[in-house]
Amino acid sequence: EIVMTQSPATLSVSPGERVTLSCRASQSVSNNLAWYQQKPGQAPRPLIYLVSARVTGIPARFSGSGSGTEFTLTISSLQSEDFAVYFCQQYDSWPRTFGQGTKLEIK
Amino acid sequence: EVQLLESGGDLVQSGGSLRLSCATSGFTFSKFAMTWVRQAPGKGLEWVSTIYPSGEPTYYADSVKGRFTISRDNSKNTLYLQANSLRAEDTALYFCTLGWGWFDPWGQGTLVTVSS
Repeated sequence: EIVMTQSPATLSVSPGERVTLSCRASQSVSNNLAWYQQKPGQAPRPLIYLVSARVTGIPARFSGSGSGTEFTLTISSLQSEDFAVYFCQQYDSWPRTFGQGTKLEIK
Repeated sequence: EVQLLESGGDLVQSGGSLRLSCATSGFTFSKFAMTWVRQAPGKGLEWVSTIYPSGEPTYYADSVKGRFTISRDNSKNTLYLQANSLRAEDTALYFCTLGWGWFDPWGQGTLVTVSS
């Protein structure tokens, strides 16, 4: 099983700041990496697939990068609606696995 | 618009069984793989099971293998998860979602609570 590790667990940031979330895989997942956003009481919402492809309707301030085992999600200028929990997920092999999440909170 | 509506969650005793359903609309159900993902209270996301369009193959997390069975009825556009021998650690919100790799969209979930 591929273990996905996200860091940090919590990030305190101010609106307007640029933020980078990290996700590391225990072995290569090629480019089969997705990111999701989840707000309290809501289902996860996909943001990024194939490392860097934005899902339709996702603002351009969200971008993904990386390859192999190291990946990042960058939000270029945080908006109030971006404070949420973010999960990465690999789909290179079975079982599909998620990171434990990074919570973005308002500083 | 794609819609996924889960149902069947309930409070059940340890060792009991439940059948979860996911009624779908807005897309050609028979052409897409479907997946169940769960989230324990206050915890992260855990992939549970995936079924391909024809009903095979199916994949399961080790934590549910042998106890849960995923199935689908393409004539009813509905996905199922039969959950047997339920344990306290199966307590979670169960989401139905579309796809076999990355998942989009997601239903709102149905809550399974297993009491010991």
